Amino acid sequence: DIQMTQSPSTLSAFVGDSVTITCRASQSISRWLAWYQQKPGKAPKFLIYQASSLNSGVPSRFSGSGSGTEFTLTISSLQPDDFATYYCHQYNTYPWTFGQGTKVEIK
Amino acid sequence: QVQLVESGGGVVQPGRSLRLSCAASGFTFSVYALHWVRQAPGKGLEWLALISYDGSTKSYADSVKGRFTISRDNSNNTLYLQMNSLRDDDTALYFCAREHYALDIWGQGTLVTVSS
Repeated sequence: DIQMTQSPSTLSAFVGDSVTITCRASQSISRWLAWYQQKPGKAPKFLIYQASSLNSGVPSRFSGSGSGTEFTLTISSLQPDDFATYYCHQYNTYPWTFGQGTKVEIK
Repeated sequence: QVQLVESGGGVVQPGRSLRLSCAASGFTFSVYALHWVRQAPGKGLEWLALISYDGSTKSYADSVKGRFTISRDNSNNTLYLQMNSLRDDDTALYFCAREHYALDIWGQGTLVTVSS
């Protein structure tokens, strides 16, 4: 199985900060990587697919990059609504796998 | 609007069975592959199973292979997950999700608690 490792596990930031979350795959997944945002008690929200393509309706302050085994999610100018947990997800190979999550907290 | 609604969760004893349902609306159900994903309390997301648009292809995580069965009824726009031989570590919130550029639409989840 492909292991997805996110860092950091927790991130504290101020409103207005720019933050970056890293996701590493244990083997190459080309660009078959997605990012999701999840708030407590809610379903994940689909943000980014194919590493860098923004889902419809997602604010442009979210951006993704990377290929192969290393990927990043950047949120520029963090907004109050952005404080949540973020997951990366590889859909290159079954079984699909997720990172363990990165919690973005208010500083 | 485009929507997935899970149902069928509850409290069940270890070793027993449960069937989850996922009702779809607002889109052409029969052209999309569908998935089940779960989240144990306080934990991350775990992919469980896939079924192709026509039901001909299925795939499972090792953790549920041989115990869980995914199926769909395209005439009734419903996805199912039959869960047998349930264990304590199957306790989780179970989500169904539509596959379109990864998992683009998710239900709100249904909680399964396995406990004696």
